[in-house]
Amino acid sequence: KQEVTQIPAALSVPEGENLVLNCSFTDSAIYNLQWFRQDPGKGLTSLLLIQSSQREQTSGRLNASLDKSSGRSTLYIAASQPGDSATYLCAVNLHDSGTYKYIFGTGTRLKVLA
Amino acid sequence: ETGVTQTPRHLVMGMTNKKSLKCEQHLGHNAMYWYKQSAKKPLELMFVYSLEERVENNSVPSRFSPECPNSSHLFLHLHTLQPEDSALYLCASSPRGGPSHYEQYFGPGTRLTVT
Repeated sequence: KQEVTQIPAALSVPEGENLVLNCSFTDSAIYNLQWFRQDPGKGLTSLLLIQSSQREQTSGRLNASLDKSSGRSTLYIAASQPGDSATYLCAVNLHDSGTYKYIFGTGTRLKVLA
Repeated sequence: ETGVTQTPRHLVMGMTNKKSLKCEQHLGHNAMYWYKQSAKKPLELMFVYSLEERVENNSVPSRFSPECPNSSHLFLHLHTLQPEDSALYLCASSPRGGPSHYEQYFGPGTRLTVT
């Protein structure tokens, strides 16, 4: 059964720092991996989607990489800002228990200090 | 806000009540999803409706009943809930279901409290 793990569970950094969030998954037979941001009590905002055939995707200060063979993805945030404070979730899309679905990690709660 | 709306945003209900959550997507998508988000747990997929498949998760208690009258609307009917059902219920849509190469777009969620 697919398991998705995110480390660290929480992270606090000073403004301006570059940081890396990690996501690992146990089954490499995924179709894609998606990174989301969630603000407290709100829905999820899609940040980046990486197809299984891709190695990385970039959007502004965000860069996500994917290494399917090792079951890992990283989200790199450059020059962090207080507005980046949120919970970051990764999810893998795969066929599991008879249906296609996204399996989510528990998230990394990020706080960027001004 | 995204093109996925959810109502109500907050709901408090007793264990004997019947209520419904509504989700509407304005993106022309063909797949819609219900997720449950409980504290300190990963998002849990409850139901999927798409042109490719219609999945009713057997692990979800029957006190949750989904309804998808068309590709733009999704309901979650609730009855005789338990306090442990208190959670954030999120709706999402994507262009298609199945082995998807497309993003999921989420609504803002309904915060449900069962007293």
